Amino acid sequence: GIQVEQSPPDLILQEGANSTLRCNFSDSVNNLQWFHQNPWGQLINLFYIPSGTKQNGRLSATTVATERYSLLYISSSQTTDSGVYFCAAARAGSYQLTFGKGTKLSVIP
Amino acid sequence: GAVVSQHPSRVICKSGTSVKIECRSLDFQATTMFWYRQFPKQSLMLMATSNEGSKATYEQGVEKDKFLINHASLTLSTLTVTSAHPEDSSFYICSAETEHEQYFGPGTRLTVT
Repeated sequence: GIQVEQSPPDLILQEGANSTLRCNFSDSVNNLQWFHQNPWGQLINLFYIPSGTKQNGRLSATTVATERYSLLYISSSQTTDSGVYFCAAARAGSYQLTFGKGTKLSVIP
Repeated sequence: GAVVSQHPSRVICKSGTSVKIECRSLDFQATTMFWYRQFPKQSLMLMATSNEGSKATYEQGVEKDKFLINHASLTLSTLTVTSAHPEDSSFYICSAETEHEQYFGPGTRLTVT
């Protein structure tokens, strides 16, 4: 199956700083999603982005499908951004998502 | 946006009993739903794909007789953990797919004593 790798595994930021999270995948995809898992376990959809660039407030994401990677940008980070960020991808022809191991983000005041 | 609910959010049961978890898509119809399992500080692992009106497809290593899945309607899938044991304790999360995007329920924390 498809392999999904995220980096870095852990990230500590000062409030107000910017960050970039990376997701590499091993195969062509027809679905790539970014999620934020809150402390209660709920997965919050951030982006559905199998290709291209999207922005939503302080967050943006870019997927370069031909080079098999996706980036999540967080600007002007806030303490409420803390949590685990997951990238998940489904290979072409499938709807089954494979999750990366996540990036644990801690934003300190 | 698309909303998925799960019930119960938390359940404690005794070893040997069965537990049913419901997953509902509240504002859309979902031909396909998925069930995941997440251990503490780990990622989500797909357990099975649930298709409305047909048998579920289980991932390798997932016991289909232990984890019974029923997808009786376009808005409801259920996961029954049969003869639960302490090693089945985990966080179970469902998702529903619409327009190629998956939306997740809030999860069910199962503790087997």
